[in-house]
Amino acid sequence: EPEVTQTPSHQVTQMGQEVILRCVPISNHLYFYWYRQILGQKVEFLVSFYNNEISEKSEIFDDQFSVERPDGSNFTLKIRSTKLEDSAMYFCASTEFSNQPQHFGDGTRLSIL
Amino acid sequence: RKEVEQDPGPFNVPEGATVAFNCTYSNSASQSFFWYRQDCRKEPKLLMSVYSSGNEDGRFTAQLNRASQYISLLIRDSKLSDSATYLCVVASGSARQLTFGSGTQLTVLP
Repeated sequence: EPEVTQTPSHQVTQMGQEVILRCVPISNHLYFYWYRQILGQKVEFLVSFYNNEISEKSEIFDDQFSVERPDGSNFTLKIRSTKLEDSAMYFCASTEFSNQPQHFGDGTRLSIL
Repeated sequence: RKEVEQDPGPFNVPEGATVAFNCTYSNSASQSFFWYRQDCRKEPKLLMSVYSSGNEDGRFTAQLNRASQYISLLIRDSKLSDSATYLCVVASGSARQLTFGSGTQLTVLP
């Protein structure tokens, strides 16, 4: 069964540094999403991406965050200047049609020191 | 008011028991409804979509009441492998972004 893959599985970064999280969505999917889950808290929506542009974003997704689809397969989340509170699991998800269930990657654990 | 509200549990049940989870959501414009399960420190995995007519997948039955903005999940003949956190999830907005409940923790005991 096709999978959403994410790299790296764990990223440790100093506060203030830039970090890029990478995702390869399922190949025929058209809608891409990033979510995050702070330890012990619920999963929260960050941003959705369709047709090479952001379609929706949450209040969490401020100017420090950006997303890109640099080629036909990768979907990236960049955090420009990381803060301690950015420490979380970051999940990428994708779906072929927006009204279909989203499939999640196994996440990147981001630890900010 | 929480957008998607669930009883956090924990629910500790013996193998073979029937267990029911409930969820309410606040956004009446929500378009799609799901139950996901999440094992400790893992990604959410789709358990089933939820439809107004009710739907069943093996031992799992889900119901949606749009008028009451209420979603339920029934697990029959529970197995040890059913131990997980069950997430009530609602899709809304132009991109059908997902809003998650905090989850209900289930432990099935031998």
